[in-house]
Formats: sequence, C-alpha cells, structure tokens
Amino acid sequence: DSGVTQTPKHLITATGQRVTLRCSPRSGDLSVYWYQQSLDQGLQFLIQYYNGEERAKGNILERFSAQQFPDLHSELNLSSLELGDSALYFCASSVGGVSNTEAFFGQGTRLTVV
Amino acid sequence: AQSVTQLGSHVSVSEGALVLLRCNYSSSVPPYLFWYVQYPNQGLQLLLKYTSAATLVKGINGFEAEFKKSETSFHLTKPSAHMSDAAEYFCAVSERSGYALNFGKGTSLLVTP
Repeated sequence: DSGVTQTPKHLITATGQRVTLRCSPRSGDLSVYWYQQSLDQGLQFLIQYYNGEERAKGNILERFSAQQFPDLHSELNLSSLELGDSALYFCASSVGGVSNTEAFFGQGTRLTVV
Repeated sequence: AQSVTQLGSHVSVSEGALVLLRCNYSSSVPPYLFWYVQYPNQGLQLLLKYTSAATLVKGINGFEAEFKKSETSFHLTKPSAHMSDAAEYFCAVSERSGYALNFGKGTSLLVTP
C-alpha cells in the first residue's frame, strides 16, 4: 500500500458528461501529480500541484482541470467527455522538497466513456 | 524537455536467467532517474532511483541499475528472473527534484518456466 488513495476505482459514464476523480496523498506529502495511462499514449503527465498551488502543467486538455485543497487532497475534473478519454488515471504524491525525489502512486481510477 | 527511451516493448526471459531492461535518457543536466514496476491492475511501485549519490543503484526485489553518463543509459538488471517478476517496467526521468516524472513507454517482461 503506497498510502495514496484514489476514488472511485472504476467509473463508467457517457460521452458529454463530467466526472470528478479524487486523490488523497500520503500523509505529509505536499505535491500531487495526475497522470493518464492509455494503450496508445502510455503514461502522460497531466498536472502537478504543490501545497495548493499549480506547479507544472503537462499534456492536460482544456476540458480537464484540477485543484488541490487546503487539506492537500486533490480532484481532477474531466468534462465534455469523449470516447478517447477512456483511460487509467493515476494520482501520485511526493514530499515535493529538494531532498525527496520519488513519487508514490495510487491504484488509479479506470474511466470508461461509452 | 527530459525524456527516456525504453528499447524493447516486450522482453521474454526464462526463469533463472538474467533480466536486462534498457533505458536511455535525454538530458542536458544531471537527471533524476527512476525505475517503476506495474503489476496487472495495480498502480506503479518504485523499484529504485538514481540521484547522483552512486552510479550503481540497488533496489527492491533484487533489481539494480547502473547510471552511465557516457552512454546516457540507466539499464535495469536482475541476475536471476522469478516468475513473480512478470510485469510492466517503466523508466522515468525528472530534471528537478520534486517535479513531475516523464515516463518511457514501458517494457513488458514475460518470464517463462
């Protein structure tokens, strides 16, 4: 168990809908990262938050947004869903400081858009 | 931007044989390098990391990796494969500590009896 909790584990929704994925980082970790894993694109970095502020942005679509709350949990919002958004979405967390480099991953949320 | 290339999307070895999974990085600065493993229907688990303290890095489950700057490589090895090593392995790089990792496309390791 990595200590990173993601909910829900599975999500099935229709095209055009909006969903929210939730992530609770490990205790003490200030950084949260979101990744998308699909067969054709592999593991793609979406966005990173550090202590409530956006730190880095990767290949995140404009239809997607995220935020990190004061209690450090994070939510990834996906809207106007398309079939191609079906993927495994991972959250990871790390301490975020200069002396700590590794990220710990949750079990992921499998999103199926039908 | 930092990137890694994993050579071979599928590698098959016999149980007890040497495991060698290849990773080359592209970086203009000393990188932070990682190997992660993903078992079916699981998240990613850190195997080992290189952060410039030592070029030979030992990880969990008997895996190790050697950082070779002259070859821009960080290959993962294990002397003797076990059936339980069958999984997807990802090499990843980060330019700065505390920043996001860029992953390679992964190598699927198959271990045959």
